[in-house]
Amino acid sequence: DAKTTQPNSMESNEEEPVHLPCNHSTISGTDYIHWYRQLPSQGPEYVIHGLTSNVNNRMASLAIAEDRKSSTLILHRATLRDAAVYYCILRDETKSSGDKLTFGTGTRLAVRP
Amino acid sequence: NAGVTQTPKFQVLKTGQSMTLQCAQDMNHEYMSWYRQDPGMGLRLIHYSVGAGITDQGEVPNGYNVSRSTTEDFPLRLLSAAPSQTSVYFCASSYDRHSYGYTFGSGTRLTVV
Repeated sequence: DAKTTQPNSMESNEEEPVHLPCNHSTISGTDYIHWYRQLPSQGPEYVIHGLTSNVNNRMASLAIAEDRKSSTLILHRATLRDAAVYYCILRDETKSSGDKLTFGTGTRLAVRP
Repeated sequence: NAGVTQTPKFQVLKTGQSMTLQCAQDMNHEYMSWYRQDPGMGLRLIHYSVGAGITDQGEVPNGYNVSRSTTEDFPLRLLSAAPSQTSVYFCASSYDRHSYGYTFGSGTRLTVV
């Protein structure tokens, strides 16, 4: 299974944009890039996902490199509520391995007021 | 409210005791999973199911048992609790492999003494 690499921690100031990187150099052509986040004392929640093109939703944007070996989750204006652990996960929806999510250790984002 | 319901929220067990963690969802999701999360670590998959009557092992299945007799319920059984099973347990569900997000429960915090 393809692996992802994320920084252990990052800091941001409130109301500033945040760019959370993820490296996945061994990604396959059918791997979707998923992002989840886990707020303190809560279960993970889905943030966004994409395959090749950049994606936007109400929570965040996902920028995917042209060679797909890296991606960046963008929070346009960080709030204190965005302080969480962010997980970048690859999921191949064409194979039975795509029946499950495999979490790494993620990036812990701290937001300064 | 639609979602994933886990019970109990907290539990203390003595070594050797058995118990069942309950997980129920009312979204007609076919896919359900159990994860454990140890302090400061990411989530690890215990068991998962892609439909009623179908279960499979995840990364850390030893000491746990599951069954899926209905679409709605996916209980996790601890056969003989050990201190190493002290953790926070999360249940999650998804419509299918192609749906974009898993919905997670709020977790069960288990302590084995």
